[in-house]
Amino acid sequence: DARVTQTPRHKVTEMGQEVTMRCQPILGHNTVFWYRQTMMQGLELLAYFRNRAPLDDSGMPKDRFSAEMPDATLATLKIQPSEPRDSAVYFCASGLDNANTGELFFGEGSRLTVL
Amino acid sequence: AQSVTQLGSHVSVSEGALVLLRCNYSSSVPPYLFWYVQYPNQGLQLLLKYTSAATLVKGINGFEAEFKKSETSFHLTKPSAHMSDAAEYFCAVSSGGFKTIFGAGTRLFVKA
Repeated sequence: DARVTQTPRHKVTEMGQEVTMRCQPILGHNTVFWYRQTMMQGLELLAYFRNRAPLDDSGMPKDRFSAEMPDATLATLKIQPSEPRDSAVYFCASGLDNANTGELFFGEGSRLTVL
Repeated sequence: AQSVTQLGSHVSVSEGALVLLRCNYSSSVPPYLFWYVQYPNQGLQLLLKYTSAATLVKGINGFEAEFKKSETSFHLTKPSAHMSDAAEYFCAVSSGGFKTIFGAGTRLFVKA
């Protein structure tokens, strides 16, 4: 049963600490997306990759957030330093860049609380 | 630029009643349109998608949506609500670049 795997599922940290969230996309998928979900802003697109190359990270605060794909099986989202306003659920999604589908498969999310 | 507007952050229906969740989109190119569902503490799952084939799209769990280009709408319907349909529903739009933008979501409540 292919699925997107995200770790950690829950993270509580203190303001100023570094946070790294990891995502394993579905094997064979060539696009990876990072979304942030909050009550106030809903689902915000932070960044996305195609074939490991970053295509758009305009939704991401550049001064503290960074997203990378070290290899095809791992995507990371790092926040340094973290702030209370970063508290949210971060979702990773993967897909196959195919004009006939466009479906995204979501992980279960990483719930981040910054105190 | 693409955008999605979902009318109504909360919708409440009685069990057995019609479900109608509204979505309007804006896209400079022919869009792909999607409805996703999110259950508590889970990620989003695809309900159905429109990719320029039939304008009436049938999805899982008895849901369907109709693409109306003249109205730039893609409303989601289900003839008879079930308690298990209570969840949050997201309309989304993407173009050929695969970038997918989501609406703010509509939480569906189903009353017994």
